[in-house]
Amino acid sequence: NAGVTQTPKFQVLKTGQSMTLQCAQDMNHNSMYWYRQDPGMGLRLIYYSASEGTTDKGEVPNGYNVSRLNKREFSLRLESAAPSQTSVYFCASSESFIWTANTGELFFGEGSRLTVL
Amino acid sequence: AQTVTQSQPEMSVQEAETVTLSCTYDTSENNYYLFWYKQPPSRQMILVIRQEAYKQQNATENRFSVNFQKAAKSFSLKISDSQLGDTAMYFCAFMKFKGSQGAQKLVFGQGTRLTINP
Repeated sequence: NAGVTQTPKFQVLKTGQSMTLQCAQDMNHNSMYWYRQDPGMGLRLIYYSASEGTTDKGEVPNGYNVSRLNKREFSLRLESAAPSQTSVYFCASSESFIWTANTGELFFGEGSRLTVL
Repeated sequence: AQTVTQSQPEMSVQEAETVTLSCTYDTSENNYYLFWYKQPPSRQMILVIRQEAYKQQNATENRFSVNFQKAAKSFSLKISDSQLGDTAMYFCAFMKFKGSQGAQKLVFGQGTRLTINP
């Protein structure tokens, strides 16, 4: 009954360091997403993967890369962290959209708080 | 591009009162979904209620209901008989209908922090 699992939950980086946020879902969903949450700005989409083997940019992709490793896993990489990337990051997953059979709900992980000094 | 606006950064009510959270959105699409998500202090995002744009009837889920005004592009959330456990950040979100396949990208509002006082 894990749903969407993100690791790590907390991370402190120095400017210029790199790191990867890992995400895995056990609901057999086709689509996965990475969002960042900043105060007063809601959640903004960084990258998404509509299905295994595809990735696309969202609203705020600069400074990030992603890998859809397989159907279950979708990782987010910061190659050279900057203080502007201090945020809470959420991974989410959903079924492919079927008009009458899908609620359209995204299932979210618990978030990863990243601080870049 | 779609935008979602929540004009109330914070709200506070007494337990058992009714509270309404406002949301407006801007889109040229005709088919879409609207959602309210709840984020308690645990940080977990939880779906509260959803509304299909083609349905005129307002969605309800127990104590939660919406007032969907398509022409005005307004989508407010009413919480009746509020409880301490309703204390959370609430996000309004928009999703464009993409047909039978494709990612379901949500566009979120800024959020409203709701506090229920005992």
